[in-house]
This record gives sequence, structure tokens and C-alpha cells, in this order.
Amino acid sequence: NAGVTQTPKFQVLKTGQSMTLQCAQDMNHEYMSWYRQDPGMGLRLIHYSVGAGITDQGEVPNGYNVSRSTTEDFPLRLLSAAPSQTSVYFCASRPGQGTYNEQFFGPGTRLTVL
Amino acid sequence: AQSVTQLDSQVPVFEEAPVELRCNYSSSVSVYLFWYVQYPNQGLQLLLKYLSGSTLVESINGFEAEFNKSQTSFHLRKPSVHISDTAEYFCAVTVSGSARQLTFGSGTQLTVLP
Repeated sequence: NAGVTQTPKFQVLKTGQSMTLQCAQDMNHEYMSWYRQDPGMGLRLIHYSVGAGITDQGEVPNGYNVSRSTTEDFPLRLLSAAPSQTSVYFCASRPGQGTYNEQFFGPGTRLTVL
Repeated sequence: AQSVTQLDSQVPVFEEAPVELRCNYSSSVSVYLFWYVQYPNQGLQLLLKYLSGSTLVESINGFEAEFNKSQTSFHLRKPSVHISDTAEYFCAVTVSGSARQLTFGSGTQLTVLP
């Protein structure tokens, strides 16, 4: 199993540009989520999905869109990038909806918005 | 809502010395508690977790954490650290028996010095 994969690893955008961060998992996990990691703030939940076709907002959803058309894929879209979205983005998945289950994290995407 | 406080952002320690990384949580109901570790340029990995039962939980690489309900703490300890333990450590909490999401602390950077 490849686990959770993310592309790209690094990205530089100009303010106002749009892009999609890709996330895929091959473990047949129902639950997937996106976090952003900023210095001194830990990980903050952006959006999550409890299954194909079902998504919901996390703690910091503004400026981001998600969709979940398949169990495997959970892309994160930035519609109009802003410097405040400069961060490291992690995708994660876990089996089932129970929060007692371990979350498996991807390697991250480092995004810089100029 | 639950919250997590990691009191130390940076902990430098010499190799083979003991270490304690502190974590306090706030919740009015029963919780699940986790420690995740992030090695440089990688995603997070589960180190250990407390769900119920014995209040002392251990990882495979010598770390342990003790759930203390009266002090609302879940401190992480290791009696003798190695250079390879250098990483950032995140404490996380969620309410037990619910689908509520994980809340992460701000992280503690452990640096093991030779």
C-alpha cells in the first residue's frame, strides 16, 4: 500500500491564482481530512469527509473547497490564493468514523503564496 | 468544546537524558488522547493513544504517557532519549463516543543534542 499520497510537494502561487492540491489513499478509508500546519498553531482542520459524496467544514474552511467523488480521492481547491494561505497542508485518512482510530497522514504540500 | 495546551514549544535535551513533554487538555466529558510525532519533512505518525483502561500507555520505541484525569494531563515521557527522537510532538484530544474531530495542540519541538 502506498498509504496517503499528496501532490505536489511544493508549490508557489501568486495572489489570486487558483490551484488544486491532490490527495489519494489506497486503504479504503471512509474518513479523509485536510489540515493546515502553521508555526506555533499546530494542525487546524480545514474540511473533512466521512464518505464519498459527503463533506463538511472544519475549523478554518474559508477560501477552500473540497469534493469527494470517490473513496480514494479528496482534492482541496484554493479558488483565489492569498498570502494568508501560505502554509503546509496535510491530508489524512482513517478507517471508519470513530475518532479512536489512528489517522494516517500524507507527506504534506508546502505552499507559498506571493 | 475540547482544547489542548502544550506548555513547551521547544525542549532541548542531551542524548541519554530523560525527557517529559507536557500536555493538558480541557473537556467536560470523557476524552480520547493521542500523541503524534512528526519527523523533519514528513507527515504525522501516531505514537500512542489512550482510549480507556490502564492510564499508562506505551509506544514501541520507549515512550510512555500517563492519563491523569484529576489533573487533565497526558504528559509524554522517555527515560533515555536518542538523537533519532528529534522531532515535533503533537498532543491531540477528542471527545469519546462521538464523531467530533481531533483537536491538536500547538506542538513541542524536541531536539536531542549529542
